Amino acid sequence: QVQLQQWGAGLLKPSETLSLICGVYGGSLSGFYWSWLRQSPGKGLEWIGEINDIGSTDFNPSLKSRVTISVDTSRNQLSLKLNSVTAADTAVYYCARGPGDYGYWGQGSLVIVSS
Amino acid sequence: DIVMTQSPDSLAVSLGERATINCKSSHSILYSSNNKHYLAWYQQKPGQPPNLLIYWASTREFGVPDRFSGSGSGTDFTLSISSLQAEDVAVYYCQQYYTTPYSFGQGTKLEIK
Repeated sequence: QVQLQQWGAGLLKPSETLSLICGVYGGSLSGFYWSWLRQSPGKGLEWIGEINDIGSTDFNPSLKSRVTISVDTSRNQLSLKLNSVTAADTAVYYCARGPGDYGYWGQGSLVIVSS
Repeated sequence: DIVMTQSPDSLAVSLGERATINCKSSHSILYSSNNKHYLAWYQQKPGQPPNLLIYWASTREFGVPDRFSGSGSGTDFTLSISSLQAEDVAVYYCQQYYTTPYSFGQGTKLEIK
């Protein structure tokens, strides 16, 4: 049974960099697309971007200039970095396995941006 | 970008009755080469990530009870719950995965009447 486990800092100050890791257990990164999404009361569910097992990426244009998504196949992990955060980036962040329709999700990571 | 719009925003249905949630996409999400609609439905309960119920607009995910069904074509889609159970209280979302950026509806909150 595939499980996705997330971790990372939950409280950031404006202008700092959000950094989250998603470990994939019980399955391989190979053959799938891996996405990051976020959910906030104001903007609902928002797709941030995705990466496949060979490192090809695609990002939401609204966040593209600030986002980095990478994979570490040796550790079976993917990561998200979002720089120059503001209060508008406060949300629950999820990793999920794609492509497209998401049958496996991480547990979610609440990230709060506050001075 | 494709905008997904759900209706209603909230819905109260009696136990054992049918619940129907609608979703409209701003563009067609039918891929003509395989005749599939790139639409998914999710159920989300408080404190949990979304749970995939339906993909390709009408295919139930493994383990999803058969009281859940999806239908529709073109730009109009429906999620139906044939006989509402107490455990179905949740927020339901539709999502298009036809093109990036993938996008979700605003959600429909389903409650017991």
